[in-house]
Amino acid sequence: KNEVEQSPQNLTAQEGEFITINCSYSVGISALHWLQQHPGGGIVSLFMLSSGKKKHGRLIATINIQEKHSSLHITASHPRDSAVYICAVRLGSQGNLIFGKGTKLSVKP
Amino acid sequence: DTAVSQTPKYLVTQMGNDKSIKCEQNLGHDTMYWYKQDSKKFLKIMFSYNNKELIINETVPNRFSPKSPDKAHLNLHINSLELGDSAVYFCASSQVYDAEAFFGQGTRLTVV
Repeated sequence: KNEVEQSPQNLTAQEGEFITINCSYSVGISALHWLQQHPGGGIVSLFMLSSGKKKHGRLIATINIQEKHSSLHITASHPRDSAVYICAVRLGSQGNLIFGKGTKLSVKP
Repeated sequence: DTAVSQTPKYLVTQMGNDKSIKCEQNLGHDTMYWYKQDSKKFLKIMFSYNNKELIINETVPNRFSPKSPDKAHLNLHINSLELGDSAVYFCASSQVYDAEAFFGQGTRLTVV
């Protein structure tokens, strides 16, 4: 069983919809990262969280340490949001990042 | 200016060859990484290099060797390439070990 589980694996939405991608992990962590991988392959770091909530534009990330769960929300989704969203956790300040398998999002116009 | 740059972007080579992928970051970060993304798009850490200390992932074959001439560069050398080495390799850096990571554009390696 992967230590980082994401759901759903694939998600298709209509432009304008509110989107939620979930990430659950089974171990104690020092931080959780959300990454975006564009169709061209490039990877961009969206958020790094250790508690609470962060917002950047239309993107919101939350984390519940007790429940070992994080969500990434996209408000007013747009076709340019189509990408693979990857959750990754760091096991302690000296641990490596462990990645989820990603959620492939397609936003239709 | 590109923050983390890798070269080459594409690399096609024959089995048994030795090849290198270069990575440079101009962010002044202390930590650099190499990740491998397999055909199923799953990312895994290969190496972390933090303040001159190399942390080797034990699942990585010793045919793979990182080399860091200075803090801004972490190159990946691969000896005796095998078909299973075909993947996309990403370099990344962060200010310190547990900070946000910045990724290079990836190098698609194809071994034929």
